[in-house]
Amino acid sequence: AQKITQTQPGMFVQEKEAVTLDCTYDTSDQSYGLFWYKQPSSGEMIFLIYQGSYDEQNATEGRYSLNFQKARKSANLVISASQLGDSAMYFCAMREGPLSSGSARQLTFGSGTQLTVLP
Amino acid sequence: DVKVTQSSRYLVKRTGEKVFLECVQDMDHENMFWYRQDPGLGLRLIYFSYDVKMKEKGDIPEGYSVSREKKERFSLILESASTNQTSMYLCASSFSDRSQQPQHFGDGTRLSIL
Repeated sequence: AQKITQTQPGMFVQEKEAVTLDCTYDTSDQSYGLFWYKQPSSGEMIFLIYQGSYDEQNATEGRYSLNFQKARKSANLVISASQLGDSAMYFCAMREGPLSSGSARQLTFGSGTQLTVLP
Repeated sequence: DVKVTQSSRYLVKRTGEKVFLECVQDMDHENMFWYRQDPGLGLRLIYFSYDVKMKEKGDIPEGYSVSREKKERFSLILESASTNQTSMYLCASSFSDRSQQPQHFGDGTRLSIL
């Protein structure tokens, strides 16, 4: 089974509107973390936002917020007031387990969502 | 600012060649990682290292090896390159003991095997 599922291969949004990128995850661990990265066409991976499984508040970073619904195992990225520069591939990723285990150093990535912001 | 530097942005090699991809980080991170990225598949972990001379296999280690002789440098080796190893390769690094800290990535190497 996929550990990270991003069901939207491509999304379009009008400039200045908000957009939600979906991410669901599958883990039996109680301790885990969820990350979102942005990859512009130039190729570099840019870290956007992090949500820990024990965090009570949804994470926010500027125009980015994470809609974390633990019971549903979803961690959707919300981008408010979209800008043309937001056009990129977006990846959701998960770190599982406590840091004492080797597996906790790894991230598992979803297949990504290509976001296009329209002028 | 964290800097992860990959030795080449673009590389073209021939089938059967031995290929070295180099990665250097300047933040004293314990962990280093090599991924490959293919359309529709996201990033897949090839190998990672959590200390000098230590390495662990990721999800797709076949056809690859790695070397970590110094903390700041992590090399990916294609022993005998094949066309199915044409891909984008991304190196990343992170601290071991800070769960909320992200992995920091290099700019990637687009490798073509002819």
